[in-house]
Amino acid sequence: AQSVTQLDSHVSVSEGTPVLLRCNYSSSYSPSLFWYVQHPNKGLQLLLKYTSAATLVKGINGFEAEFKKSETSFHLTKPSAHMSDAAEYFCVVSERGNAGNMLTFGGGTRLMVKP
Amino acid sequence: KAGVTQTPRYLIKTRGQQVTLSCSPISGHRSVSWYQQTPGQGLQFLFEYFSETQRNKGNFPGRFSGRQFSNSRSEMNVSTLELGDSALYLCASSLAAAVYEQYFGPGTRLTVT
Repeated sequence: AQSVTQLDSHVSVSEGTPVLLRCNYSSSYSPSLFWYVQHPNKGLQLLLKYTSAATLVKGINGFEAEFKKSETSFHLTKPSAHMSDAAEYFCVVSERGNAGNMLTFGGGTRLMVKP
Repeated sequence: KAGVTQTPRYLIKTRGQQVTLSCSPISGHRSVSWYQQTPGQGLQFLFEYFSETQRNKGNFPGRFSGRQFSNSRSEMNVSTLELGDSALYLCASSLAAAVYEQYFGPGTRLTVT
């Protein structure tokens, strides 16, 4: 069975400072991993994905994440936060080999950006 | 290319009623999945349809059902609504069985009173 743990439910940073959102996963097989962002009253937007190619994955809006198999982690980072980054972020895992597209979501991290 | 569309966007129903939500996937996408999002339980997988067949089902009671049409459009139905069914229902589509990247619609906000 697969599971995802987002280690912080809330993260607060100042505009212009780095962002780190932490995610650990558990998977029986070789996983695909994703980060999605959800702005208030909106659907989910895909930020980036890892599917066994390069372990450092670059996404939209300056975000990137590094897949570390030995640590079962997939942390999301951004060098410099912008006010528009304030949103909820979800780390998501999907196992290869399962019969279909079932995503398992972490509990979410709410990112607050102070001016 | 148009994104995933969901109708209606907002819905208010009374306990005991039933409701049908609709989802139109991105053109060419054949897989449609449904998720329920609540403050208490977070995002939970309901079911997935591919080529009109349900391939996966989450841990929800039988009151929750769905179907997919030949044009890949999907509907989900909730019968005998309960207060706890109040949630944002999200639909996601993906290209094919081997592609795990999913694209989400804006959701339908269901309120049960």
